[in-house]
Amino acid sequence: AQKITQTQPGMFVQEKEAVTLDCTYDTSDQSYGLFWYKQPSSGEMIFLIYQGSYDEQNATEGRYSLNFQKARKSANLVISASQLGDSAMYFCAMSRMDSNYQLIWGAGTKLIIKP
Amino acid sequence: DAGVTQSPTHLIKTRGQQVTLRCSPKSGHDTVSWYQQALGQGPQFIFQYYEEEERQRGNFPDRFSGHQFPNYSSELNVNALLLGDSALYLCASSLRQTAKETQYFGPGTRLLVL
Repeated sequence: AQKITQTQPGMFVQEKEAVTLDCTYDTSDQSYGLFWYKQPSSGEMIFLIYQGSYDEQNATEGRYSLNFQKARKSANLVISASQLGDSAMYFCAMSRMDSNYQLIWGAGTKLIIKP
Repeated sequence: DAGVTQSPTHLIKTRGQQVTLRCSPKSGHDTVSWYQQALGQGPQFIFQYYEEEERQRGNFPDRFSGHQFPNYSSELNVNALLLGDSALYLCASSLRQTAKETQYFGPGTRLLVL
């Protein structure tokens, strides 16, 4: 069965430092997508970055990059130069392309940026 | 470009009642998915609608039902509410048959069942 594991329940990071949020996944599918979303206390789930299983290069979106290691089944999110506004819950998710792209979610990591 | 909208934002119901939540997808999107997020947990997939039909369903009982309208908007209905149905309900929209099928989420509806 497909599964997403986020092993860091919470993290404290000093402002302006880089931070890496861990995500490992388990799937027997050949074709899948990996996503990271940010959820502030307001509740809205904000899309950050996407990596396709056949993409050879790591995805980047501004200060966000995804460190994709297919053989290890990991998809870590890297946030460069963290800001106070980055404090939020972060979720890793995987879509099954043979299942109408249903998203399977990890338990999330609560990131707190310290001034 | 309007994003995903949901209504109402908050709702309080009592056990046994029925509730209807509404979602309008992002402009240009044709697929709507619903998720339930209990406090402190990741979202759980309820079901997905495309072309006015339920295309995929998660592990939720038949008390949870939905509908998609010709304008792609969607409703989630929950009958015979239980205390355990208290959660944040998230609606996401996407465009079918795009390489990424990225889902964009609305602000959610917070449901409290007393």
